[in-house]
Amino acid sequence: GEDVEQSLFLSVREGDSSVINCTYTDSSSTYLYWYKQEPGAGLQLLTYIFSNMDMKQDQRLTVLLNKKDKHLSLRIADTQTGDSAIYFCAESTNGGFKTIFGAGTRLFVKA
Amino acid sequence: KAGVTQTPRYLIKTRGQQVTLSCSPISGHRSVSWYQQTPGQGLQFLFEYFSETQRNKGNFPGRFSGRQFSNSRSEMNVSTLELGDSALYLCASRANTEAFFGQGTRLTVV
Repeated sequence: GEDVEQSLFLSVREGDSSVINCTYTDSSSTYLYWYKQEPGAGLQLLTYIFSNMDMKQDQRLTVLLNKKDKHLSLRIADTQTGDSAIYFCAESTNGGFKTIFGAGTRLFVKA
Repeated sequence: KAGVTQTPRYLIKTRGQQVTLSCSPISGHRSVSWYQQTPGQGLQFLFEYFSETQRNKGNFPGRFSGRQFSNSRSEMNVSTLELGDSALYLCASRANTEAFFGQGTRLTVV
């Protein structure tokens, strides 16, 4: 069945780059997403990438997709304390009608 | 434009009771999905509705049900509550690829 895995914790220093990794199993995934969840809040879509792309950049965020290895990563440049949150990787087929999420990576940013 | 609204924000129920949660999607969005978030299991997909029809369903027991009204508002119901149903229930609405999440309803079963 579909499964999305990601490491649970990541700690970085303010100003460093953060790289959050994710693997998925569904080879028919067409969309891959990164969501951010701050304490007490719902999920906020950060960015998404189509499966026919291998990279997408949006300001401080860079998404890399290795479709052969089913590996997705999110790089946050110049990480700030405000980036501390849980980051969820997710995948879906057919435009996201059923989106499968990873367990989330908790990012700690040390000042 | 108003975001996704979930009510109530917090709820405490007793084992064996039933509960109904509500989600009002963003105006114009016809798809509404529900998710259960727990520390141990992460985000689990419950079901997705589109134009009052359930289009997808996750692996939850029949105690979990939902519906969608003609104005796209959706409700989910959990009957015979168990302690393990304590979770944050999130609703998401979408018009196309991007899903917008509400802040969730935190349900505590005691």
